Amino acid sequence: GESVGLHLPTLSVQEGDNSIINCAYSNSASDYFIWYKQESGKGPQFIIDIRSNMDKRQGQRVTVLLNKTVKHLSLQIAATQPGDSAVYFCAESRRVVRDDKIIFGKGTRLHILP
Amino acid sequence: DTGVSQNPRHKITKRGQNVTFRCDPISEHNRLYWYRQTLGQGPEFLTYFQNEAQLEKSRLLSDRFSAERPKGSFSTLEIQRTEQGDSAMYLCASSLEGFSDAYEQYFGPGTRLTVT
Repeated sequence: GESVGLHLPTLSVQEGDNSIINCAYSNSASDYFIWYKQESGKGPQFIIDIRSNMDKRQGQRVTVLLNKTVKHLSLQIAATQPGDSAVYFCAESRRVVRDDKIIFGKGTRLHILP
Repeated sequence: DTGVSQNPRHKITKRGQNVTFRCDPISEHNRLYWYRQTLGQGPEFLTYFQNEAQLEKSRLLSDRFSAERPKGSFSTLEIQRTEQGDSAMYLCASSLEGFSDAYEQYFGPGTRLTVT
């Protein structure tokens, strides 16, 4: 079936280091990708998105990379802080056919080590 | 706080009872989405509305589930004859479609349902 998955269920990173969270997607028809952050007891929070006609997009302390050849998405967080502790989901949708529903992966829990 | 609110935040009910959840989206948003999230999993799409029209329903949405958005503003999700397998976090999101290139979905805090 069509799904978006993440490679690691948990990732531990030293405070101040850079974090890289990876994701593989299976639907080559997907043209819009999003990273969400979810803290305990809260709904998913939008971090950054990227369309399929791009391979890189930068935000504040975050960068998303898209490799359509191998259907791989990654989220890089620079200078990881304690507040970055959360579960991170990659997600996809198909904007070109106006299919707005978002398909989420299983998530990676990011632990920040002091 | 994204501006999307959901009530109640927690609901405990006995198997077989009916429950109803409410979502108030960001006021100018024309699209409203319902997702379900079980422990350790990502949210799963249930249904969405464009204004008051329900445009798509997932096959996860059994006959016991019904969603409405009568005036194109708030939405309700009702589950009839609840089962233990319905225990989950029910998330609502809203977005503004068609007016700009930004179509980010803003999520509410969710309603956690526990069926005993």
